[in-house]
Amino acid sequence: SQKIEQNSEALNIQEGKTATLTCNYTNYSPAYLQWYRQDPGRGPVFLLLIRENEKEKRKERLKVTFDTTLKQSLFHITASQPADSATYLCAFSGSARQLTFGSGTQLTVLP
Amino acid sequence: NAGVMQNPRHLVRRRGQEARLRCSPMKGHSHVYWYRQLPEEGLKFMVYLQKENIIDESGMPKERFSAEFPKEGPSILRIQQVVRGDSAAYFCASSPGQGESYEQYFGPGTRLTVT
Repeated sequence: SQKIEQNSEALNIQEGKTATLTCNYTNYSPAYLQWYRQDPGRGPVFLLLIRENEKEKRKERLKVTFDTTLKQSLFHITASQPADSATYLCAFSGSARQLTFGSGTQLTVLP
Repeated sequence: NAGVMQNPRHLVRRRGQEARLRCSPMKGHSHVYWYRQLPEEGLKFMVYLQKENIIDESGMPKERFSAEFPKEGPSILRIQQVVRGDSAAYFCASSPGQGESYEQYFGPGTRLTVT
């Protein structure tokens, strides 16, 4: 069955640096790969969606790439700020709309 | 435009009681999804509903769990005869469900504690 893995459970970086989070999947490429942010005690918040025929998507300081050869998506936050500290979740969906989530990466941006 | 609303935010039940979790989707959204997040685990899909229809319940335990999304009113996730293992955060999400809108909008969750 399809599996989705986020390599790092936790990532600490210095303020102002670029944070790069990794999401890998097995088997077939999902039609849509999405990234969400979750703060403690709250529901996930949608950030970006990238389709399997797209290489890259940007939104303000966020960038997502999708490499179907490597079966990998990278999520970048440039000029990171302490307010970016949260758990970031990747998720995929296909023609079936429900999401399959990775276990998340907890990002801490140190001032 | 109000977001996805869930209530109650916290629910305590004794073993054997019933839990009812409610979800009102965003205005204009006709698709509702329920997910469960167990302590120290990721979000797991449970059920996907449209108005008056269950589209996919493959992630929902066969016994004790049921879900509905009536023509009028919120979606309800019902857990009968709760056990300690049901203690978790239950999140509802909604989406427009048409065209290319595959992103989902989540509510704040209901934290169920079974004592």
